[in-house]
Amino acid sequence: GENVEQHPSTLSVQEGDSAVIKCTYSDSASNYFPWYKQELGKGPQLIIDIRSNVGEKKDQRIAVTLNKTAKHFSLHITETQPEDSAVYFCAASPHNAGNMLTFGGGTRLMVKP
Amino acid sequence: TAGITQAPTSQILAAGRSMTLRCTQDMRHNAMYWYRQDLGLGLRLIHYSNTAGTTGKGEVPDGYSVSRANTDDFPLTLASAVPSQTSVYFCASSLALNTGELFFGEGSRLTVL
Repeated sequence: GENVEQHPSTLSVQEGDSAVIKCTYSDSASNYFPWYKQELGKGPQLIIDIRSNVGEKKDQRIAVTLNKTAKHFSLHITETQPEDSAVYFCAASPHNAGNMLTFGGGTRLMVKP
Repeated sequence: TAGITQAPTSQILAAGRSMTLRCTQDMRHNAMYWYRQDLGLGLRLIHYSNTAGTTGKGEVPDGYSVSRANTDDFPLTLASAVPSQTSVYFCASSLALNTGELFFGEGSRLTVL
């Protein structure tokens, strides 16, 4: 089955700096890669996703890049703000498995004012 | 808008006792899921349902059962709880099993002593 590794487990940045979270996956058949943000006491919420037919996707201050050859994908947050502080999860899903996601272990991002 | 409602929000349970975690959605989504969240392990899929009347096993189904009598409700039952089932449980839904964003509830924290 799929295995998703996520690094780092914790990340502390100064407000205004960029943050990068990296994930690797094992199943070359995976073709859907979402990122979820979980605020304290809440359930995860989708912030961005990418499919294997594109290499990069942006949405304002967040972007995701995908390298299918190396089987890794990354989340980039620019101009970080205190409200970006949360736990972020990457996930992967094999072809035709849709929402049968395998999640990474999570990254706790702390943005210091 | 309610979205996904889970109950109880937290519970302490003696080992060997049974427990049902409730989940209700008001979005008329076809697919529903139960995940458990453990530190460093991310979210792991327990059971899922493609549509009312059908269920399937996820990555960690042992010790858990589900039912899907109608579109809106997807209860998770622990027949005889064990301490390793101490976790935070999240219910989620999506429009269909193979498309779209997962919408999560706010979680149920279960402690088995």
